[in-house]
Amino acid sequence: DAKTTQPPSMDCAEGRAANLPCNHSTISGNEYVYWYRQIHSQGPQYIIHGLKNNETNEMASLIITEDRKSSTLILPHATLRDTAVYYCIVFNDYKLSFGAGTTVTVRA
Amino acid sequence: NAGVMQNPRHLVRRRGQEARLRCSPVKGHSHVYWYRQLPEEGLKFMVYLQKENIIDESGMPKERFSAEFPKEGPSILRIQQVVRGDSAAYFCASSTGGISNYGYTFGSGTRLTVV
Repeated sequence: DAKTTQPPSMDCAEGRAANLPCNHSTISGNEYVYWYRQIHSQGPQYIIHGLKNNETNEMASLIITEDRKSSTLILPHATLRDTAVYYCIVFNDYKLSFGAGTTVTVRA
Repeated sequence: NAGVMQNPRHLVRRRGQEARLRCSPVKGHSHVYWYRQLPEEGLKFMVYLQKENIIDESGMPKERFSAEFPKEGPSILRIQQVVRGDSAAYFCASSTGGISNYGYTFGSGTRLTVV
């Protein structure tokens, strides 16, 4: 079962940053935070992951609080193609547990 | 650099027929995972396989469902005597094993419709 809590939906203006929160208050020390997204029922797409430190790649940034109980995915310049369901997943083995995710709608 | 290939993309079966879903992992990946997504729901883990071995099938329904990943060839998810409730999108993912720097690579899925 999913160990994370995310808002069900959010809107974002095209070109602006999108900040997606995730609570994972029961995370344990060896569990990673992974983010995936699913665009219009396609297969999930890996975005980014982290353990303790903040991470950045070409798609997004991941900010993890010092106590690791929550994190924020940042899409720096949202485009219409970023409209998708975003999943925050706590992961330490091989089984990804997908919750309901956050439906992000980017508007022109 | 082909990703995970799933076929067919769409499959229609009548109640009582068999459905066979195929998944070819990323070249070099020896670990395969199957997930099911019912309409308007999130993905649910079904089974984890390594070459010729089932590691965890805790998410598989006890009856009618089976999975294999032979030494040669794709992984197969088999559903016997399909019922309307089996209608869903079935996704396959692969990895090199364990936690990787890029998580799992998912295929585009097979959408099964039981009529």
